[in-house]
Amino acid sequence: GDSVTQMEGPVTLSEEAFLTINCTYTATGYPSLFWYVQYPGEGLQLLLKATKADDKGSNKGFEATYRKETTSFHLEKGSVQVSDSAVYFCALSGRNTPLVFGKGTRLSVIA
Amino acid sequence: GAVVSQHPSRVICKSGTSVKIECRSLDFQATTMFWYRQFPKQSLMLMATSNEGSKATYEQGVEKDKFLINHASLTLSTLTVTSAHPEDSSFYICSARGRAVSGNTIYFGEGSWLTVV
Repeated sequence: GDSVTQMEGPVTLSEEAFLTINCTYTATGYPSLFWYVQYPGEGLQLLLKATKADDKGSNKGFEATYRKETTSFHLEKGSVQVSDSAVYFCALSGRNTPLVFGKGTRLSVIA
Repeated sequence: GAVVSQHPSRVICKSGTSVKIECRSLDFQATTMFWYRQFPKQSLMLMATSNEGSKATYEQGVEKDKFLINHASLTLSTLTVTSAHPEDSSFYICSARGRAVSGNTIYFGEGSWLTVV
């Protein structure tokens, strides 16, 4: 079945450091890919998405590119802030299927 | 963008009672709604998928008689935890996919913290 593998955390970075959270997937067909973020004590929020190969999703300084050849959707940000501290979930979804989530990566940014 | 509202955000109930959580899509018709459960510091676990007007499809290991899901309209799904016990204490999140929502995107409610005492 479909699956998502993302790097295990926790990831601890200093403010203004470069962030990469790796995500690879296994799926039949051509799924849509997502990154969701969960801030402490809150629900999930959609961070960005990409619906086809080579699409780049971006939001709030975060970017991820849908790479079909490497089945990857790595999340990047050039300069993280303390307010970016959260848990990040990579996910995929086919047209008629629910989201399949990775296990989540906890990011802590220290000043 | 599409908005999904979940209510209540926090609820405390006594062991043995039932509690209902509502999930509403505010600006789109949700043809499919999903209910997830999240244990502390864990990923999300899909509990069930519900399509408007039909019975929910439960994931393996989820007790359908304990977690009653109703999707009576295109904008509302409810999860009722019946005869709740302390081990049912968890974070429950709904999500919705609907018509005219682009890119196969699924939007999430804010989540509901359930504490059973």
